[in-house]
Amino acid sequence: AQSVTQLDSHVSVSEGTPVLLRCNYSSSYSPSLFWYVQHPNKGLQLLLKYTSAATLVKGINGFEAEFKKSETSFHLTKPSAHMSDAAEYFCVVSDPGNDMRFGAGTRLTVKP
Amino acid sequence: NAGVMQNPRHLVRRRGQEARLRCSPMKGHSHVYWYRQLPEEGLKFMVYLQKENIIDESGMPKERFSAEFPKEGPSILRIQQVVRGDSAAYFCASSPLAGGYQETQYFGPGTRLLVL
Repeated sequence: AQSVTQLDSHVSVSEGTPVLLRCNYSSSYSPSLFWYVQHPNKGLQLLLKYTSAATLVKGINGFEAEFKKSETSFHLTKPSAHMSDAAEYFCVVSDPGNDMRFGAGTRLTVKP
Repeated sequence: NAGVMQNPRHLVRRRGQEARLRCSPMKGHSHVYWYRQLPEEGLKFMVYLQKENIIDESGMPKERFSAEFPKEGPSILRIQQVVRGDSAAYFCASSPLAGGYQETQYFGPGTRLLVL
């Protein structure tokens, strides 16, 4: 059965510095992996999606994630944080035929 | 093209009342998913529906909860005899193709249910 672990419940960075949000997954198959962002009192917005094509996936707003099968990781990165990036981020895994499993989320704080 | 719409955005109910949450998928989407988010937690899958058909309800509580997606109109998530533990944000998502869970899902803004 698939599962996902977000290693940090809270990450704090200064504006202009790099962002790293860590995600490890467990899957018996070739999973699809997603990162979603949730701003306060809003719905979820898809940042990027991996589906067994290129291992480095580029998303919106300058975010990207690298699929590393040997490490079962799908960490989200951004070279330079912006104040508007402050939000909750969810890593999601889905095996073929199975529902999406969400991580517990990482709250990103961006300090001026 | 309007996104996924949910209403109401906020719903307050007293214990024992019924809650009805509505979800209109994006135009052209025929697959709807419902999720529940408890405070400080990630989303938990509840049910996956197509028009007039429940595909997967493995995440639905066995009692008091039901969902439908009729041929015409929005998808409805119904919670009967609500209890305080039902207080949560309920999100609906839709997808356009028949690829099931691995297709990209587009989320609505959610309905925040508070049970007094």
